[in-house]
Amino acid sequence: QQQVKQSPQSLIVQKGGIPIINCAYENTAFDYFPWYQQFPGKGPALLIAIRPDVSEKKEGRFTISFNKSAKQFSLHIMDSQPGDSATYFCAAQETSGSRLTFGEGTQLTVNP
Amino acid sequence: DTAVSQTPKYLVTQMGNDKSIKCEQNLGHDTMYWYKQDSKKFLKIMFSYNNKELIINETVPNRFSPKSPDKAHLNLHINSLELGDSAVYFCASSRGTGDQETQYFGPGTRLLVL
Repeated sequence: QQQVKQSPQSLIVQKGGIPIINCAYENTAFDYFPWYQQFPGKGPALLIAIRPDVSEKKEGRFTISFNKSAKQFSLHIMDSQPGDSATYFCAAQETSGSRLTFGEGTQLTVNP
Repeated sequence: DTAVSQTPKYLVTQMGNDKSIKCEQNLGHDTMYWYKQDSKKFLKIMFSYNNKELIINETVPNRFSPKSPDKAHLNLHINSLELGDSAVYFCASSRGTGDQETQYFGPGTRLLVL
């Protein structure tokens, strides 16, 4: 049973576009939602994270929007660049432990 | 200075063999993890250790056995390798087990079972 559903599976945008990746979760015990970025041949790395007591968090060109009632959150990348081409994973974590449950991943390609 | 390192980077072996993957972190973290990333890039936790104690043990065949000789090292031994074990295995570490602890991933070990 996939507890964190992520879409789309792949996404292609032009440079300067605003790709949006969506995630939905079921477990109401989740209370921390990080996004990880993975470049080919590398391990995932934390990009940005949010707690459900805020509806939006922005770091540079990356923004997380959070809708607690709908149990959904999304990543927006402003002014996307070819260097943003990577696989993006949303994840969720319960207060009680360190286990991260990952979404299926979105392969983003930003064309020049 | 590599924070989380894994060896080997690539591992090609025959079905039925036994192999080990090693992981070391120099971040001073207390918690370490093994993840499996399949061909569709899905990341799934396998094991986690905190201060050398096993705290997460997912539904993984018992052919997989983790071992933590000290809190800076977490190794993964796989017995009787099967074709389905082919994947990328990532080691990760975090400062502790609380929530909001960033997990730092190693570069991965690409295992191919023939």
